[in-house]
Amino acid sequence: QKEVEQNSGPLSVPEGAIASLNCTYSDRGSQSFFWYRQYSGKSPELIMSIYSNGDKEDGRFTAQLNKASQYVSLLIRDSQPSDSATYLCAVLTNTGGFKTIFGAGTRLFVKA
Amino acid sequence: DVKVTQSSRYLVKRTGEKVFLECVQDMDHENMFWYRQDPGLGLRLIYFSYDVKMKEKGDIPEGYSVSREKKERFSLILESASTNQTSMYLCASSPRGGPDTQYFGPGTRLTVL
Repeated sequence: QKEVEQNSGPLSVPEGAIASLNCTYSDRGSQSFFWYRQYSGKSPELIMSIYSNGDKEDGRFTAQLNKASQYVSLLIRDSQPSDSATYLCAVLTNTGGFKTIFGAGTRLFVKA
Repeated sequence: DVKVTQSSRYLVKRTGEKVFLECVQDMDHENMFWYRQDPGLGLRLIYFSYDVKMKEKGDIPEGYSVSREKKERFSLILESASTNQTSMYLCASSPRGGPDTQYFGPGTRLTVL
């Protein structure tokens, strides 16, 4: 089992819809969770971080964390074509020392 | 703004060559990382460093070494490049403490022929 797992996609949504990106992780001791956005040919950039159970909202983005289910998600409301990118889930684990593990990413296409 | 720069955007080398990839950050971050990114495999950690002269192996250190002589600079060395090291290489930095938010450089796409 991969330590951080994401559906590779592509996930295709129409403009204005809600895009839902999901991520599961294996280490129950994980403490911090991040979503990075990576445009094609560019490097990842942080868009959201979440540390406690529940929802965290920032503009059109909402991160959701459920530690009991080892599940973290990212919702993008009112999706725009400019949101088309690969979204990487990252988890700070404490197995064998603190280390950030990245998922392989989900490709999102927002159709105009 | 944090700025992480990498010495080359594109690099083409021949099998057996020694390859140096340089990374410089200007935010006085203690932590620096080298990853490679391949389709379907995501970001895989090669080496990281928590301080000057310190280095720790990541998940895939074989065939690589690193050097951190100054706080702002972290170099990745491919001792004898092989075709399976063709990849995108990403450098990142983060401050000590905190939740380990990482700031990435633009990446170096290395092709080994």
